Amino acid sequence: EVQLVQSGGGLVKPGGSLRLSCAASGFTFSNAWVNWVRQAPGKGLECVGRIKSKTDGGTTDYAAPVKGRFTISRDDSKNTLYLQMNSLKTEDTAVYYCTYYTLYWGQGTVVTVSS
Amino acid sequence: DVVMTQSPLSLPVTFGQPASISCRSSQSLVSSDGTTYLNWFQQRPGQSPRRLIYKVSNRDSGVPDRFSGSGSGTDFTLKISRVEAEDVGVYYCMQATHWPYTFGQGTKLEIK
Repeated sequence: EVQLVQSGGGLVKPGGSLRLSCAASGFTFSNAWVNWVRQAPGKGLECVGRIKSKTDGGTTDYAAPVKGRFTISRDDSKNTLYLQMNSLKTEDTAVYYCTYYTLYWGQGTVVTVSS
Repeated sequence: DVVMTQSPLSLPVTFGQPASISCRSSQSLVSSDGTTYLNWFQQRPGQSPRRLIYKVSNRDSGVPDRFSGSGSGTDFTLKISRVEAEDVGVYYCMQATHWPYTFGQGTKLEIK
């Protein structure tokens, strides 16, 4: 059974940093392209970024609102995906989801940026 | 970025009646490999999104056959043949042909 279990998140002040984790199981994580998607309170879904498998270069792509502030990484030895969020803004407040193939989704983790 | 425009944004439906959601993209979603990466998702309150349809018209495993997807190029439709109570939620189209992947605004389906 494919599972994506997220951790991290919480309340942080503007300008602060936070790291989210997404632990994967039930599939060959090292071969997977994985995405982060967020949803601001009462709003729709927004793709934040993705990371390709190492065999496909392991490169990352980001949406414009987070480029230069967020970093996606992976540890294939731990089957874990990370989202490092720096210079956080109030508009980054959202539920963050990791997703594999857009078919499998984590449970979501709440990030609140507020003073 | 590719803009995805859904209509209607609110869809009141009577139990047992059909429902239809339109999704239009600002540019063609046909990729260089000839595949159209257009997906549909359902999100129930307090839950993670659930994919229903991938590549325009393919139903994911476990999705009832009352859900169907169609369309091509820039114009796509999700249809529910007979709405049931469990179908209440917000429906999103999403394109995965061009980066960044983008979603429609969402259509809230509710029971009349």
